Amino acid sequence: EPEVTQTPSHQVTQMGQEVILRCVPISNHLYFYWYRQILGQKVEFLVSFYNNEISEKSEIFDDQFSVERPDGSNFTLKIRSTKLEDSAMYFCASSERAGGEAFFGQGTRLTVV
Amino acid sequence: AQSVTQPDIHITVSEGASLELRCNYSYGATPYLFWYVQSPGQGLQLLLKYFSGDTLVQGIKGFEAEFKRSQSSFNLRKPSVHWSDAAEYFCAVAHNQAGTALIFGKGTTLSVSS
Repeated sequence: EPEVTQTPSHQVTQMGQEVILRCVPISNHLYFYWYRQILGQKVEFLVSFYNNEISEKSEIFDDQFSVERPDGSNFTLKIRSTKLEDSAMYFCASSERAGGEAFFGQGTRLTVV
Repeated sequence: AQSVTQPDIHITVSEGASLELRCNYSYGATPYLFWYVQSPGQGLQLLLKYFSGDTLVQGIKGFEAEFKRSQSSFNLRKPSVHWSDAAEYFCAVAHNQAGTALIFGKGTTLSVSS
């Protein structure tokens, strides 16, 4: 069964460093998303991406964040100058169509120290 | 703005008993509605979805949910809970047009007692 894969599963980084979280969405899906879940809190939408551009973003997704689809399979989230409060589980998801069911990856746990 | 409310933070149910998890949404039109389950340390797995049509939808693992427009609710039910159902359950809503973001509720943690 096709699935969304994320790497790494766990990343530890020092405050102020840049991190890149990687995702391989399901191959025939056209919409890609990043969500985050701070420990013990709800899942929050960050950004959606379609046709090689951002289609929607939340207020969380400020200039510190960027997304890219560098090739036909990968979808990345870059966090510049990480802060302690960026520590969270980051989920990538993809869907065939807008508003359709999203399939989630297993997540990358980011720990900023 | 869209929002999703799951009024119960934590529910404990005896194994074999029935379960109902509540979800209310706020949205101007009929949204797409979802229930996801998250086991500890795992990602989110889709249990079921409602787009249109029959308001009672069946999902995986014996779960079902009923969309009630008049109550803006989409409650999740299971007639007989198994110990393996212990997890966190999230209700989510999406635009039914061009919007793509899922808005999640805060989740309900289900514990199953023997």
